[in-house]
Amino acid sequence: GAVVSQHPSWVICKSGTSVKIECRSLDFQATTMFWYRQFPKQSLMLMATSNEGSKATYEQGVEKDKFLINHASLTLSTLTVTSAHPEDSSFYICSARDLLAGHNEQFFGPGTRLTVL
Amino acid sequence: TQLLEQSPQFLSIQEGENLTVYCNSSSVFSSLQWYRQEPGEGPVLLVTVVTGGEVKKLKRLTFQFGDARKDSSLHITAAQPGDTGLYLCAGASPDNYGQNFVFGPGTRLSVLP
Repeated sequence: GAVVSQHPSWVICKSGTSVKIECRSLDFQATTMFWYRQFPKQSLMLMATSNEGSKATYEQGVEKDKFLINHASLTLSTLTVTSAHPEDSSFYICSARDLLAGHNEQFFGPGTRLTVL
Repeated sequence: TQLLEQSPQFLSIQEGENLTVYCNSSSVFSSLQWYRQEPGEGPVLLVTVVTGGEVKKLKRLTFQFGDARKDSSLHITAAQPGDTGLYLCAGASPDNYGQNFVFGPGTRLSVLP
């Protein structure tokens, strides 16, 4: 149980275009989803916390107009990187918290590797 | 701001050796999780510890939560190449109903055959 999927797994795009990444909880309802960014050989950096039906809470230094987050249902959150540039190239990972689980465990998706040319 | 430190940052050992990884903070956490991440994949939850002094075992992995719930350790017995990966600890703050999570910088383990 507690499976989280991400789509796409990897994407290559031209500078200036926008990219949407989907995060789905497949077998549970997630009131909260988290979006992380990870650079090579580094730990996870929390970008934003997404609660179903409300606006996302962004971490300091993360541009909300650059990284648009929508959490329209209990099983889906999307991250859109707008007007992507090469410095946005990174590994983006989402996680979801199971409504019925205790102790606030997060279950992670497999990640999306974004390369902006 | 709560911070989690992990040590060592990097560890390279031979197959069959034992090792311990530490996760430390000056803050109290309501719970603490350990994850393992392999290259190009998302982190996989290994265990959650909640009670101070708690010890949990997962095959060759032993996890301990400090009595004061500020630190934790992960001990691996007879390490195998399949244990290679990035080990992350994450603490849930007792504030805001545990909404706030903090991740440590990770320990990158390499087990050589």
